[in-house]
Amino acid sequence: QKEVEQNSGPLSVPEGAIASLNCTYSDRVSQSFFWYRQYSGKSPELIMSIYSNGDKEDGRFTAQLNKASQYVSLLIRDSQPSDSATYLCAARENAGNMLTFGGGTRLMVKP
Amino acid sequence: GAVVSQHPSWVICKSGTSVKIECRSLDFQATTMFWYRQFPKQSLMLMATSNEGSKATYEQGVEKDKFLINHASLTLSTLTVTSAHPEDSSFYICSARPPGPFYEQYFGPGTRLTVT
Repeated sequence: QKEVEQNSGPLSVPEGAIASLNCTYSDRVSQSFFWYRQYSGKSPELIMSIYSNGDKEDGRFTAQLNKASQYVSLLIRDSQPSDSATYLCAARENAGNMLTFGGGTRLMVKP
Repeated sequence: GAVVSQHPSWVICKSGTSVKIECRSLDFQATTMFWYRQFPKQSLMLMATSNEGSKATYEQGVEKDKFLINHASLTLSTLTVTSAHPEDSSFYICSARPPGPFYEQYFGPGTRLTVT
């Protein structure tokens, strides 16, 4: 099993809907978790971080962490076409300061 | 949020020449910086971890003599691609980690390298 796994997509949702992006991880990465957004041809941009079980909300974004089931998710409410991008899930390795990235999920929000 | 700059944003060079890419943390001191490479439609690939004042740690399969990394100050790291070849053409992105317990990384805008 890869340390951090994501469905590559594309995930297609209509404008205004909730987009749900999921990520699972292995025992080797179980510390801090991050969601990055990457537009085509651009570098990743940090949009959310989560460190403890439960939900964390920031505007239209909600990150959810379930350590017992080893998954972390990102919900985007009221999805907009400008949210169309690749979303990268990242987790800190147990030992060290590196982040391990998933392959990313491509989100398409259709007007 | 923390700001990381990268220069140049794109560069075209001839095969056999060397190219230097700079990465700067503009509003924080970064004890650790990271260099990634990304090919089209692929995920990020970590090349090396760079700590200020010490030698970089390279990932398996990354040639340290070809990709020279210098982290001379708490705000500047450089990546030099030596004797570049067309297969080195890629999107090179640096990131920096601010001090603190959370290990988040902030990315620079990236450098698109084309070797002809």
